[in-house]
Amino acid sequence: DAKTTQPNSMESNEEEPVHLPCNHSTISGTDYIHWYRQLPSQGPEYVIHGLTSNVNNRMASLAIAEDRKSSTLILHRATLRDAAVYYCILRGGGSQGNLIFGKGTKLSVKP
Amino acid sequence: DAGITQSPRHKVTETGTPVTLRCHQTENHRYMYWYRQDPGHGLRLIHYSYGVKDTDKGEVSDGYSVSRSKTEDFLLTLESATSSQTSVYFCAAARGGTRSGTDTQYFGPGTRLTVL
Repeated sequence: DAKTTQPNSMESNEEEPVHLPCNHSTISGTDYIHWYRQLPSQGPEYVIHGLTSNVNNRMASLAIAEDRKSSTLILHRATLRDAAVYYCILRGGGSQGNLIFGKGTKLSVKP
Repeated sequence: DAGITQSPRHKVTETGTPVTLRCHQTENHRYMYWYRQDPGHGLRLIHYSYGVKDTDKGEVSDGYSVSRSKTEDFLLTLESATSSQTSVYFCAAARGGTRSGTDTQYFGPGTRLTVL
């Protein structure tokens, strides 16, 4: 699986938008971009995924660069509950189907 | 949410004792996974299953075995626990497994295991 690069940490103020970047310059044409997050003392949870077009769901938006070498997870209004580690993961249906987690970005939200 | 539960949620055991962790899912997902999470390493795959009685090794499988006799249950066994197996263990389930890059994994709440 191709590698992703994310900042170690980011800070945000409550009720402000948050843009979490991810670089994946070696992405292949069939890799989907997935985002998961892990709240403190919980298991990871799925946030969103996309291939080429920008995607929206009730949790977040995913903006994908035209060349697909980077993407941005957008939380439109951060809440205290959004404080978590966010993981950007590429999935191309590898041999085992498991997720390969990097270190992710630790998001802190200030009231 | 695939209704994934793990038991026990916390366990303290001694070196050399066998330990079994249980993962249970209610959504009939075909694929199930066991990961461990340690500081500085993120989540790493231990074993996975692609159907009843079909299992295979992951990245860090030494010292662990698994069994899946029913779709809903996936057991992880430490035959003889060691201090290096102190970790948080997460189970996950997925519908599509390897065939689709769109497949979503659903995780359980984790089991914190301490081996003294």
